Amino acid sequence: QITLKESGPTLVKPTQTLTLTCTFSGFSFDTSGVGVAWIRQPPGKALEWLAVIYWDDDKRYSPSLNSRLTITKDTSKNQVVLTMTNMDPVDTATYYCAHRMTTTPHDVFDIWGQGTMVSVSS
Amino acid sequence: DIQMTQSPSSLSASVGDRVTITCRASQSINYYLNWYQQKSGQAPKLLIYTTSNLQTGVPSRFSGSGSGTDFTLTITSLQPEDFATYYCQQTYSLTRTFGQGTKVEIK
Repeated sequence: QITLKESGPTLVKPTQTLTLTCTFSGFSFDTSGVGVAWIRQPPGKALEWLAVIYWDDDKRYSPSLNSRLTITKDTSKNQVVLTMTNMDPVDTATYYCAHRMTTTPHDVFDIWGQGTMVSVSS
Repeated sequence: DIQMTQSPSSLSASVGDRVTITCRASQSINYYLNWYQQKSGQAPKLLIYTTSNLQTGVPSRFSGSGSGTDFTLTITSLQPEDFATYYCQQTYSLTRTFGQGTKVEIK
């Protein structure tokens, strides 16, 4: 059974750097095709894809946020970490991590974590 | 960037109704289109991937179709548990853009 859980601060100040951790079980980055993505959702708004990291350490970022995002994986800990620099109140959102299906050639995110709410305020 | 536009933004329907939600891409995305269902306060749930493939465990009243730029999610007989917001997502381009969502409400 695949599970993912996001963790990190609930409140950050403007200009600070946000670090979120996705801890997962039920799969491993040792498996070809595995990936983990981050997606966020501002209150009452739509989903926004942020980044994905693959089993081979390939990474993709949203072009609009590319300069602010870094995604890394720790295979030994079964974790994926997302950092976002220069936080702003518009970055207030629920942040989700999600597992990429390995049975399709393109990104399909089949299992999601419960999400973690991050507020940006001074 | 590829823009994904869903219509309608919201709809009211009754249990048993047939419901159709449309997702239009600003350029061709081949068949790289997924649908998610999100209930209030919950994480999104994958319903359909690659246009028409039903995710394991999803009821057969859900179906998807389309290609290129125009895609459809159909619920053949709406059930009480189907009242939620539905999102399409393209994974053809780097941005993996989501639509703005369609909220299905009880009439």
